[in-house]
Amino acid sequence: DADVTQTPRNRITKTGKRIMLECSQTKGHDRMYWYRQDPGLGLRLIYYSFDVKDINKGEISDGYSVSRQAQAKFSLSLESAIPNQTALYFCATSDSGTGEGETQYFGPGTRLLVL
Amino acid sequence: AQRVTQPEKLLSVFKGAPVELKCNYSYSGSPELFWYVQYSRQRLQLLLRHISRESIKGFTADLNKGETSFHLKKPFAQEEDSAMYYCALRPLGRRALTFGSGTRLQVQP
Repeated sequence: DADVTQTPRNRITKTGKRIMLECSQTKGHDRMYWYRQDPGLGLRLIYYSFDVKDINKGEISDGYSVSRQAQAKFSLSLESAIPNQTALYFCATSDSGTGEGETQYFGPGTRLLVL
Repeated sequence: AQRVTQPEKLLSVFKGAPVELKCNYSYSGSPELFWYVQYSRQRLQLLLRHISRESIKGFTADLNKGETSFHLKKPFAQEEDSAMYYCALRPLGRRALTFGSGTRLQVQP
C-alpha cells in the first residue's frame, strides 16, 4: 500500500549518532504509530499520535523521540543510537472515524543497523 | 497491562492439512482482537478482526472469553498461506494495539 511511505528504507549508522526515520501518509488518517520488530519479539509500540497535538509513549519509548510535523508526517528520532536499537522499524496509520475494529495500515519498514 | 501470547514460533504443515495458530491474551476487560499477516516481501496487513465475525481467505477466528483465546483456524492449508501471523489486542476504549510475538506458518507441498 503506497499510501504509507517510510524513508530511508535501509540505514547503517554508528553508535552515538543521531538519526531520523520519516513516515508520510496520504490516507488522510489522524492516527500514526511507530513500532519496532525484533526476531522472536514481534512488534513493539514505541510512540503513537492520535492527532498533531497528541503524542504518547508506547511500550519501549526510552532512547527514542518523535515529532508529528503535520497530520501526514510522523518522524522517529534516535538521539544517540546504540547497537541494541538495530531492528526493523514500522510506521502505521489508522482512522479514528472507523470506530471499533479500526484497521492499522503499515509502511514497508526501515531496516536500521547500528554499528 | 494487557498481554498477547503466541506460543508457537513456527508451525509447519502440509498442504491440505488443517491449521490452527494459537493466540492467548490476558486482559481483564473486553478487548478487540485482530489477526495481522505478513507475506514474504509484503507489508503487514490486517487479516481479520473478531468484531466482524468474517472469514478471510478461508481463515476464521473465534473469541473465547472463557479461555481468553483467539485462535486462527483454516480447515485446509494452501502453500500461499505461508507467512508470518500476528495476533493483536486493543482494550476497548483504549488507544493502541498490543501485538504477540508472531507465528511463522510454513505450508509444505
